[in-house]
Amino acid sequence: GENVGLHLPTLSVQEGDNSIINCAYSNSASDYFIWYKQESGKGPQFIIDIRSNMDKRQGQRVTVLLNKTVKHLSLQIAATQPGDSAVYFCAENMFNAGGTSYGKLTFGQGTILTVHP
Amino acid sequence: DGGITQSPKYLFRKEGQNVTLSCEQNLNHDAMYWYRQDPGQGLRLIYYSQIVNDFQKGDIAEGYSVSREKKESFPLTVTSAQKNPTAFYLCASSIFPGGIYEQYFGPGTRLTVT
Repeated sequence: GENVGLHLPTLSVQEGDNSIINCAYSNSASDYFIWYKQESGKGPQFIIDIRSNMDKRQGQRVTVLLNKTVKHLSLQIAATQPGDSAVYFCAENMFNAGGTSYGKLTFGQGTILTVHP
Repeated sequence: DGGITQSPKYLFRKEGQNVTLSCEQNLNHDAMYWYRQDPGQGLRLIYYSQIVNDFQKGDIAEGYSVSREKKESFPLTVTSAQKNPTAFYLCASSIFPGGIYEQYFGPGTRLTVT
């Protein structure tokens, strides 16, 4: 089957730096992607999403970039803070040929982000 | 407050016993999901339900069962047939069909079977 995966399992940055978390996907039918943040012992929290008809989407301190040519997704966090330390997952929501969602997400392995004060 | 609740937060059972994990949502969402998460791993889909009285197997449904008798409730039973039941279990819900398919997650239940 086709999977969503991540290039780097861990990322360490200094407070104030920008962080970039990467995600590769192989399913060309995927039209919708989501980034989640999961703190230890808690459920994932939605960060930002993007549809395949977009290349970039910005939120508060976060930007998601989608490169459909190389099937690559990235999450950029500006001015990273210690509170950003968590595991970050990308997920894809696949659509069938008729444009209907399968209604389920496929998650990547996750990247551990550690922010040092 | 609107959201998803899971109970209990920690659950301990002896091997060979069935156990039911609770998931309730007051978001009026149609779709609900159950995921399993093992240490250092991503989320794997166990079962999902798009409407009341209907549900589908996910990627790792063996040894699990669900019911969806009410829109707001989607309990998961971990049966004795599940060979490695110790894990962190997450319930989620989303608006379905159409629109953005963001899933809202509950706080999770950590199940330990000895």
